Amino acid sequence: QLQLQESGPGMVKPSETLSLTCTVSGGSISSSSYYWGWIRQPPGKGLEWIGSIFYSGNTYYNSSLKSRVTISVDTSKNQFFLKLSSVTAADTAVYYCARHSRIAVAVLGRFDPWGQGTLVTVSS
Amino acid sequence: QSALTQPASVSGSPGQSITISCTGTSSDVGGYNYVSWYQQHPGKAPKLMIYDVSNRPSGVSNRFSGSKSGNTASLTISGLQAEDEADYYCSSYTSSSTQVFGGGTKLTVL
Repeated sequence: QLQLQESGPGMVKPSETLSLTCTVSGGSISSSSYYWGWIRQPPGKGLEWIGSIFYSGNTYYNSSLKSRVTISVDTSKNQFFLKLSSVTAADTAVYYCARHSRIAVAVLGRFDPWGQGTLVTVSS
Repeated sequence: QSALTQPASVSGSPGQSITISCTGTSSDVGGYNYVSWYQQHPGKAPKLMIYDVSNRPSGVSNRFSGSKSGNTASLTISGLQAEDEADYYCSSYTSSSTQVFGGGTKLTVL
């Protein structure tokens, strides 16, 4: 079955760029039925959608993070990526990647399945 | 985009039914039938329980059901079991082609 796995540094210094990779296995990232999303969860807090990408490179972002976020995709490696610039302690969170269903053009739905998540701590 | 509004906590005894509400606006919950619900146990990734307001993925117990009225979606769990104790989050598509989550509800099984 489809599986997603996040990877990347567990600690990033303030003002630097957080970079994570999500590797998709058991299925192709180049499906017209899905986007691929990033969601984060600060310790003890709720979920926050960061953004999602289509295999063609089309993206949608959370407006509150848009100025600092870049999501990209490498279909040859079945991977997609998250970059979050100018990080602060407020960006400390567990970062999840997930498959994001595409209902229609510019219409997205559920997240399923999810990766196990990776904790990224912003600290000097 | 503002987070959807959920109660911080709900509780119930084994065998009882509980309902968790998720209130948004006409630009998200009220405008589209693309509300989903997720269950999250401590230290685990969220798991999809309901999608498109009332659809259950394969493998999810039929004790879980979803509905919507106006700008409020609801998740009902019947026949509460100890294993249902978890955090629950709603999510909705929005008119800006984005996604928004609720603040989460902690379910305690007494």
